[in-house]
Amino acid sequence: AQSVTQLDSHVSVSEGTPVLLRCNYSSSYSPSLFWYVQHPNKGLQLLLKYTSAATLVKGINGFEAEFKKSETSFHLTKPSAHMSDAAEYFCVVSDTGGNMLTFGGGTRLMVKP
Amino acid sequence: GAVVSQHPSWVICKSGTSVKIECRSLDFQATTMFWYRQFPKQSLMLMATSNEGSKATYEQGVEKDKFLINHASLTLSTLTVTSAHPEDSSFYICSAQNRLAGLTEQYFGPGTRLTVT
Repeated sequence: AQSVTQLDSHVSVSEGTPVLLRCNYSSSYSPSLFWYVQHPNKGLQLLLKYTSAATLVKGINGFEAEFKKSETSFHLTKPSAHMSDAAEYFCVVSDTGGNMLTFGGGTRLMVKP
Repeated sequence: GAVVSQHPSWVICKSGTSVKIECRSLDFQATTMFWYRQFPKQSLMLMATSNEGSKATYEQGVEKDKFLINHASLTLSTLTVTSAHPEDSSFYICSAQNRLAGLTEQYFGPGTRLTVT
């Protein structure tokens, strides 16, 4: 069984300040982990993924995430928020076959000017 | 590469009618397609998994006779919501996977917003 918990349903930051979106997971095997972004009324865009290679994963648009097995965490960070980063973010855990994706509840990121 | 489209992007239908949503993989063969449902301000929930040429596998609680899924080719899957009711109003998202190529990543379509009046 696998599960994902996004610790914050809403995060508000000022433009130019760092972003931290928290994600904890549980899995009975070595998981693959993803972060997706969803803009209003749009589909999902993959930001980055971890598949048992380097624990620090760099994604698009300046985002990165660090896989910490001891903490079962996969937090998403960005050094400096842009207004265009305002969206819903989903942390996702997958089984090794990529067939069963389990989504976290989502975190809505708001960026203030 | 790995583009998935959905049509229509939004649809409004009357209660009791049926509506079909198409999911297409534009530049790769999708051996497996997944259909998700997303209620407002909520996360995605997997409805069903379909393999090309086979019957879809539905998740617990999803009515297979109401949500008809067809995956007749390696580039097209359809979801038909039969006898739609207002509670079926939702955002439906498909994803596609190419297991033949040994790829496990799912590529998502842009979603279809269904409103049943």
